[in-house]
Amino acid sequence: DIVMTQSPDSLTVSLGERATIHCKSSQSVLYKFDNKNYLAWYQQKPGQPPKLLLYWASTRESGVPDRFTGSGSGTDFTLTISSLQAEDVAVYYCQEYYSVPYTFGQGTKLEIK
Amino acid sequence: EVHLVESGGGLVQPGRSLRLSCAASGFTFDDYAMHWVRQVPGKGLEWVSHIRWDSGSIDYADSVKGRFTISRDNAKNSLYLQMNSLRADDTALYFCAKGVETGDLNAFHGWGQGTMVTVSS
Repeated sequence: DIVMTQSPDSLTVSLGERATIHCKSSQSVLYKFDNKNYLAWYQQKPGQPPKLLLYWASTRESGVPDRFTGSGSGTDFTLTISSLQAEDVAVYYCQEYYSVPYTFGQGTKLEIK
Repeated sequence: EVHLVESGGGLVQPGRSLRLSCAASGFTFDDYAMHWVRQVPGKGLEWVSHIRWDSGSIDYADSVKGRFTISRDNAKNSLYLQMNSLRADDTALYFCAKGVETGDLNAFHGWGQGTMVTVSS
């Protein structure tokens, strides 16, 4: 199984500042035949289901603000929120969908300073 | 707009069975793979099972293999999870989700609100 490890576990950032979350997979999720990284990022606010933010590591889901950016390839990925807004307080998860069992990272809790 | 509504959760004794349903609307159901994912309240996400659009490919997490069965009825725009031999560690909020694109390997999109399953005597 691919193990997904996020860092940090929690993060406190001031409004308007940049927030950066890292995700590392235990093996590459880059599929050589289509050159795509099978990596997604989700946002989960309290009492709500997860919401897809980015897939193929960097493709923004429709309606997601452009302050959310995904980068990285192979085994190392980053979610960046360029200018933190109050509504971005949530837990963020990365996930590989390269191979079963489609594992999620442990989550990163993002709070406002 | 994608709309997924889970139902069928509840309190059940260990060893008993439960069948979850997920009603889909707002998209062409039989074009997309579907998934079940669970979450213990306050904890992380665990993928449970996947079914391809035509039911031709099905996968399970090791933790539920042999006890849970995923199925779908494309004519009814519905996804199911038959859960047998339930254990206390199956207690969780169960979500259904669709693939973000057609095709088999996809990120999970349009999650429902979930249905709570509590396994306790």
